[in-house]
Amino acid sequence: AQSVTQPDIHITVSEGASLELRCNYSYGATPYLFWYVQSPGQGLQLLLKYFSGDTLVQGIKGFEAEFKRSQSSFNLRKPSVHWSDAAEYFCAVGPLGGNMLTFGGGTRLMVKP
Amino acid sequence: GAGVSQTPSNKVTEKGKYVELRCDPISGHTALYWYRQSLGQGPEFLIYFQGTGAADDSGLPNDRFFAVRPEGSVSTLKIQRTERGDSAVYLCASSSTRAGGHEQFFGPGTRLTVL
Repeated sequence: AQSVTQPDIHITVSEGASLELRCNYSYGATPYLFWYVQSPGQGLQLLLKYFSGDTLVQGIKGFEAEFKRSQSSFNLRKPSVHWSDAAEYFCAVGPLGGNMLTFGGGTRLMVKP
Repeated sequence: GAGVSQTPSNKVTEKGKYVELRCDPISGHTALYWYRQSLGQGPEFLIYFQGTGAADDSGLPNDRFFAVRPEGSVSTLKIQRTERGDSAVYLCASSSTRAGGHEQFFGPGTRLTVL
């Protein structure tokens, strides 16, 4: 069965600092990988996705993520965090030919001024 | 509207009651999904529709949960004999094709509280 692990439940960074949110997945073949952001009272918004090709993918709001097959990881990064990035971030996997997304437990990001 | 909408935004009910949650997908999206998000957790898949039919209902926790999409657009998630453990945010998403390759667009959710 597929699964997603986000080891960090909470992360606090200072505004302007760099950010890396970890995501590890378990799946028997090449998965489709996603990062979503959820702000309070808002729906989930897609930041970026990986299907194939270049393992470094660029997303919205200055985010990027790198797929590392050998480590079964898809970590999210941003070089300089803004206060508006404070939210909950979810990594998800969706298998080829499948439709349901399996989400990790989420990482809540807090940004210090 | 431009996005996925869900009504009501909040629903408070008593244990044992019946509830219906509605989802209006993005116009033209053939695929529709329901997820449940408990406090402090990520969303969990419940059911997926392709058109009018439920293509995968493996995530429904038990037979108290049922969903329909009679005309291939609006969907209703129905919960019978609600229990306190059903309290969660119920999320709906839609996509234009199969999700393995395309984005699922999420609605804001319905927060269900069972007293």
